[in-house]
Amino acid sequence: GAGVSQSPRYKVAKRGQDVALRCDPISGHVSLFWYQQALGQGPEFLTYFQNEAQLDKSGLPSDRFFAERPEGSVSTLKIQRTQQEDSAVYLCASSSGGGARYEQYFGPGTRLTVT
Amino acid sequence: TQLLEQSPQFLSIQEGENLTVYCNSSSVFSSLQWYRQEPGEGPVLLVTVVTGGEVKKLKRLTFQFGDARKDSSLHITAAQTGDTGLYLCAGSGSARQLTFGSGTQLTVLP
Repeated sequence: GAGVSQSPRYKVAKRGQDVALRCDPISGHVSLFWYQQALGQGPEFLTYFQNEAQLDKSGLPSDRFFAERPEGSVSTLKIQRTQQEDSAVYLCASSSGGGARYEQYFGPGTRLTVT
Repeated sequence: TQLLEQSPQFLSIQEGENLTVYCNSSSVFSSLQWYRQEPGEGPVLLVTVVTGGEVKKLKRLTFQFGDARKDSSLHITAAQTGDTGLYLCAGSGSARQLTFGSGTQLTVLP
């Protein structure tokens, strides 16, 4: 009955380092979303999975960003060669269905700081 | 591109006062959701409205979806300090992902 969990909760990376952010969705949820939230702003869409298929990655800001969900459950967002503008909170959300009207439930986020 | 504008961006009121937050767009949404987010946490879903003109009440919170499904409002009656937080509206249209507004930071003072 647990909600969406994310790890680590906080990550500090030196510019140029690679990072991997993990999301454990609610058990049985088909859809998984990644969002990026800058300080004081609303979340912005990055990418969307339905089961293991990445159906939309139009929000990924550059080819340094890569996401996967190989078994249709846990997902990892990887950022290569991090830059200062990547500093943000990365939120994961899951929903029980594949349609737009299914409600999304969010994890607590990973706060990434690139120094 | 569907955009949602929220107003006001910041709101500071005394406990017991009423307030309204607005969420407006030039685009039609199939549904609209309101979330509340506290520091260090993810957004928590408050309500989903799907029908034009729909009004939903959640204790002291009243949510309204515009007739044309382009705008929404959140009204809080007799605000309490526990209502403090970032309020976000989010719309879903043809795409599965949510489009979020920029948020309203509400501070309720004792």
